Formats: sequence, C-alpha cells, structure tokens
Amino acid sequence: DAKTTQPPSMDCAEGRAANLPCNHSTISGNEYVYWYRQIHSQGPQYIIHGLKNNETNEMASLIITEDRKSSTLILPHATLRDTAVYYCIVRAAPAAGNKLTFGGGTRVLVKP
Amino acid sequence: DSGVTQTPKHLITATGQRVTLRCSPRSGDLSVYWYQQSLDQGLQFLIQYYNGEERAKGNILERFSAQQFPDLHSELNLSSLELGDSALYFCASSVEEIRSPLHFGNGTRLTVT
Repeated sequence: DAKTTQPPSMDCAEGRAANLPCNHSTISGNEYVYWYRQIHSQGPQYIIHGLKNNETNEMASLIITEDRKSSTLILPHATLRDTAVYYCIVRAAPAAGNKLTFGGGTRVLVKP
Repeated sequence: DSGVTQTPKHLITATGQRVTLRCSPRSGDLSVYWYQQSLDQGLQFLIQYYNGEERAKGNILERFSAQQFPDLHSELNLSSLELGDSALYFCASSVEEIRSPLHFGNGTRLTVT
C-alpha cells in the first residue's frame, strides 16, 4: 500500500478554514485517496475521497495535486466538533482487498 | 449513524477466556472488515470477508478467527485472551469496489483483566 505522510498535529481557529496536508509520493495511478476522521474513540468517519480531480461534499473539499503526490483536505469553517484525528489513506487496489491502511494521522485541535 | 451495528459495546473478561464480537453490516454491503485499535497502536487491519469468503488478511493472530454468515453478519472470535488484547475492535462494511467508502461501526471495547 502506498504510504502517506501527515503532520502529527495542528491547531486551527474556530470559524476559519482548516487545511490538512498529506504526502503520498508513491501512489499508483489507480489508487484513490481517502480521508477519514476519528473523534475520540468513536468509529472512523468517512469524509471524502478522490482519484485525481478535486472533490467537494457537504463536509469538506479535497484538493489533489496534478502529479497526485500530495493532497489537502479543507474544512471550510472549522467548528469545535471538528476536533479529531484526521487520516489520509491511499486505498489498496481491488486485488489487495480494497482495505484501508491507517497511519498515524493528524491530530487537529479546533480552538475557540 | 453509519448503519453498521456492533455488539456488545463493552466487554470485560479474564485472561485465557474466549469472546465473540458481532457485526451487522449496512444493508446491501457484502464486504465486512475488522480492525483493532490499541492504546499504543493505531488502527490495525485484521481481516476482510466478502459475501462469506475470506478476501484479505492482515496482522491477525492465530488465536483470533472470524467468519461471515449467509445473512452477511460477521463474528470475530478471540480466544486464549491476553492482557495485550485489550483494545477497541471496529467492524466496517462496504460495497465491494474501490470507489465505495468503508463505513465503520462504533466498536466493541474489550478489556482483559
């Protein structure tokens, strides 16, 4: 599975945009980038995923660079409830079972 | 609510014992995945089933086993429990394709004393 690199932690201000970077320089052409978050000890929550185009949904936006070696998750207006560990994952190809391999993630603290 | 149901929510047992964790996937999802999350480790993939068949295996101990039944629910069996098996165990389900997200349940917290 392609490895991802994320900063271990970051703070952001409530109401401001939070930009979470992720490097995945060994990603293959058919591998998707997924983002999940885990609030306290709850089950990981799906946020968004993409292959090469930028994606947006009601939770966040995903910006993937043209060479696909990095991406940024954008939370447009962070709230205190967005405090969580955010995981950037390159998903294994179908032949490997489509599983998600979680790394250490970024611990995001949203401050008032 | 992800639609994935895990029972029980909490389980306390003694070393050497055996427990069974249960997972009901989202309606229509054929794949079930099991993950372990210990305090000192991140989320570790254990095993995946698709429509009753084992599809992928991760760092699952020989003392652990799983199965998926015809109604698609899955069980994770943990035997000869050790203190180090104390962890959160998550189940996830998905439609079997790379563009379909995994949806996680809220886990079973296992404490081995």
